[in-house]
Amino acid sequence: DTEVTQTPKHLVMGMTNKKSLKCEQHMGHRAMYWYKQKAKKPPELMFVYSYEKLSINESVPSRFSPECPNSSLLNLHLHALQPEDSALYLCASSQEALSKPLHFGNGTRLTVT
Amino acid sequence: QKEVEQNSGPLSVPEGAIASLNCTYSDRGSQSFFWYRQYSGKSPELIMFIYSNGDKEDGRFTAQLNKASQYVSLLIRDSQPSDSATYLCAVILTTGNQFYFGTGTSLTVIP
Repeated sequence: DTEVTQTPKHLVMGMTNKKSLKCEQHMGHRAMYWYKQKAKKPPELMFVYSYEKLSINESVPSRFSPECPNSSLLNLHLHALQPEDSALYLCASSQEALSKPLHFGNGTRLTVT
Repeated sequence: QKEVEQNSGPLSVPEGAIASLNCTYSDRGSQSFFWYRQYSGKSPELIMFIYSNGDKEDGRFTAQLNKASQYVSLLIRDSQPSDSATYLCAVILTTGNQFYFGTGTSLTVIP
């Protein structure tokens, strides 16, 4: 079992839908991340939050909108996605940003139809 | 040159053998190195991390770091079929200020 919890596990959405992915950790970690992973590829960084502030945005399209309501929660709001956005979306946390191991959640498998 | 390079494999070893996975990185200033295991369809799971030159052992796993040669390796002793997975090397590079993942090495342990 992972200490980083992601919901939902699976999500199918149309290109006009609005949905949100949720992530929660209770390890007291101060950094949280969103990664996108396509099949047979490594995880690709999207966003980093450090102490609840967005510190890195890897030129992600605006149809992906992150939110960090508090130190334990991280959301990813999705709107007007494209079929090529279908992927495994991974949330991760670490004690401090970019200096400690990442702990990944189980991921959300997203399919855009 | 890619920031982090791994041989994509597939690497096949018989059960009970030693599996050796290698990773090279481009940034000589990098200080932190990680190995993750990822089963098909699952999320990456931290196996080992190493910050200092030399060997670090944890059960059947040994991470080896050589900063002068800019490589980090993972040895799996007494390989089991349950070790069959993709192994991702990750490095925190001083340039770019993020975790960089290699493309992963697919390992198959044959019973």
